[in-house]
Amino acid sequence: DQQVKQNSPSLSVQEGRISILNCDYTNSMFDYFLWYKKYPAEGPTFLISISSIKDKNEDGRFTVFLNKSAKHLSLHIVPSQPGDSAVYFCAASAYAGGTSYGKLTFGQGTILTVHP
Amino acid sequence: DGGITQSPKYLFRKEGQNVTLSCEQNLNHDAMYWYRQDPGQGLRLIYYSQIVNDFQKGDIAEGYSVSREKKESFPLTVTSAQKNPTAFYLCASSSTGGSLDTEAFFGQGTRLTVV
Repeated sequence: DQQVKQNSPSLSVQEGRISILNCDYTNSMFDYFLWYKKYPAEGPTFLISISSIKDKNEDGRFTVFLNKSAKHLSLHIVPSQPGDSAVYFCAASAYAGGTSYGKLTFGQGTILTVHP
Repeated sequence: DGGITQSPKYLFRKEGQNVTLSCEQNLNHDAMYWYRQDPGQGLRLIYYSQIVNDFQKGDIAEGYSVSREKKESFPLTVTSAQKNPTAFYLCASSSTGGSLDTEAFFGQGTRLTVV
């Protein structure tokens, strides 16, 4: 049962335009969401996060939007740059008290290609 | 420099052999995780540990074993019982506690190939 889904395996955009990566989740207990960027043969690196008490978080060119009622989040990259080309994973976490906090569930990833 | 170190980067194993992947962190994180990445599958959780001498199975623990004898170290053994061990393995760590700081830091990964 895939609790975090990224339904677009790939996305191609032109340099300077906006990239929008989408993520859906099914577990209503998730209350913290993260985006990671990954290059081939490397570990993912943290990009940006959002907690369920917010609906938007911005960091430079990256903005994450959360729609709790739709169980949907998206990552906007504006403007897109060729160096942004990578695989992007969304991840979710649920705080359950005790030792259960921090376990991340990942989506399948979306390959972003930004063309010069 | 603080970080997570996985070794080796590439590993080849013959069928029927056990192999152990190393993961060390000096971030003073309580929690450590092992994920496996396959094409089109995203990252799937194998095992995780929130504290020394304690660990829990993730979604795909069959054929794997772990230990957590020290806070800094969380080695993963891929046993001969794992039917499809060829994959990219990622180790991660994160702080735990009452804050929302659950960002996980990842190692560079180990590419395991069964020959």
